[in-house]
Amino acid sequence: DVKVTQSSRYLVKRTGEKVFLECVQDMDHENMFWYRQDPGLGLRLIYFSYDVKMKEKGDIPEGYSVSREKKERFSLILESASTNQTSMYLCASSFVAGHDEQYFGPGTRLTVT
Amino acid sequence: KQEVTQIPAALSVPEGENLVLNCSFTDSAIYNLQWFRQDPGKGLTSLLLIQSSQREQTSGRLNASLDKSSGRSTLYIAASQPGDSATYLCAVADRGSTLGRLYFGRGTQLTVWP
Repeated sequence: DVKVTQSSRYLVKRTGEKVFLECVQDMDHENMFWYRQDPGLGLRLIYFSYDVKMKEKGDIPEGYSVSREKKERFSLILESASTNQTSMYLCASSFVAGHDEQYFGPGTRLTVT
Repeated sequence: KQEVTQIPAALSVPEGENLVLNCSFTDSAIYNLQWFRQDPGKGLTSLLLIQSSQREQTSGRLNASLDKSSGRSTLYIAASQPGDSATYLCAVADRGSTLGRLYFGRGTQLTVWP
């Protein structure tokens, strides 16, 4: 079974803090994705990566950056957290982009106060 | 840009009913369509993946169909159970986008009562 894990289920941070969300997959998948999910807005793609050290912006990259130094690990970084970044963050991975299933992690509920 | 719509937004049915969830998309140039289930506060679980060349996929009590030319998919759930209560999302892998990224609908929130 594919397993995608996220470093925290719940996280509370203060405005202005630098926040790291980490995602690890164990199936040697090429592609990894970060989404945020908000009521009424659905899932929105923040960034994705199709190879180590490669990244592409999604629909809402502002205020975020990503890092992929190893194939199995994809980190989302909030450079200076703001209250409007309070959300559910979901990581996903897939083998061949566009052809295979995307597998999701359990999510991180981030609250910025 | 691909747009995915799911109808209805919410559905409440008694246990045992057969039900249909609908998904439509605006651009038929897709690689595949995927149905997910999401329980409250949790991540997404993949239910079924239909490649663009396929017409349907089945898994247990679930059957998903795809009509690519009309931009529609349905998820059929037979003999619904309270454990089926969740939000169901559909997503299409868009051929016109970078690396066939997924576009999601807003979901159908299903409640099955005993």
